Amino acid sequence: GAGVSQSPSNKVTEKGKDVELRCDPISGHTALYWYRQSLGQGLEFLIYFQGNSAPDKSGLPSDRFSAERTGGSVSTLTIQRTQQEDSAVYLCASSLADRPNYGYTFGSGTRLTVV
Amino acid sequence: AQRVTQPEKLLSVFKGAPVELKCNYSYSGSPELFWYVQYSRQRLQLLLRHISRESIKGFTADLNKGETSFHLKKPFAQEEDSAMYYCALTYLMDTGRRALTFGSGTRLQVQP
Repeated sequence: GAGVSQSPSNKVTEKGKDVELRCDPISGHTALYWYRQSLGQGLEFLIYFQGNSAPDKSGLPSDRFSAERTGGSVSTLTIQRTQQEDSAVYLCASSLADRPNYGYTFGSGTRLTVV
Repeated sequence: AQRVTQPEKLLSVFKGAPVELKCNYSYSGSPELFWYVQYSRQRLQLLLRHISRESIKGFTADLNKGETSFHLKKPFAQEEDSAMYYCALTYLMDTGRRALTFGSGTRLQVQP
């Protein structure tokens, strides 16, 4: 597609439920990143995929968070047993190569609300 | 460890006034710095990169290694500049890959 597509745009879930957030990067972008944007907290790095290499999961806040990227394209971020502190906007970005100075293209995000 | 600090959560100026959004960083390696902008109801997007030495929408930013700063400046603010601005730094992760770390952001309000 023309840009990075994320779905759903909004998700309200009950505490304790699992959620899946989807990211469809720009075609041909080998690098894909997930960030979390919380009010007053800026952007928090979560996980990074580059090509077929093992992902860098160093930013995931707990083992309730996981992500996968199938076929080097679409990525899914899964949050198990959601907690209220998981409420945030989850942003996906992709870039042409493993060099952030090429510029990231961000999706419009998924706003997750845990009630 | 790498860190980007944006000391102001909110900066409010009048139209036509000069603007300076502050950004300080700490990083032991060679820094690559960026400014990203998010307008209301729009996606986060790259505004400018220090390596390009460019002026975008009248904004400039100069990397000052002595002061470890990368402040964003514009001589005459416009109402359409109202947005959230994030300063970002690339750093080398333990995996040998590079990633971006962001500051907490500054909301710029330009009043008429």
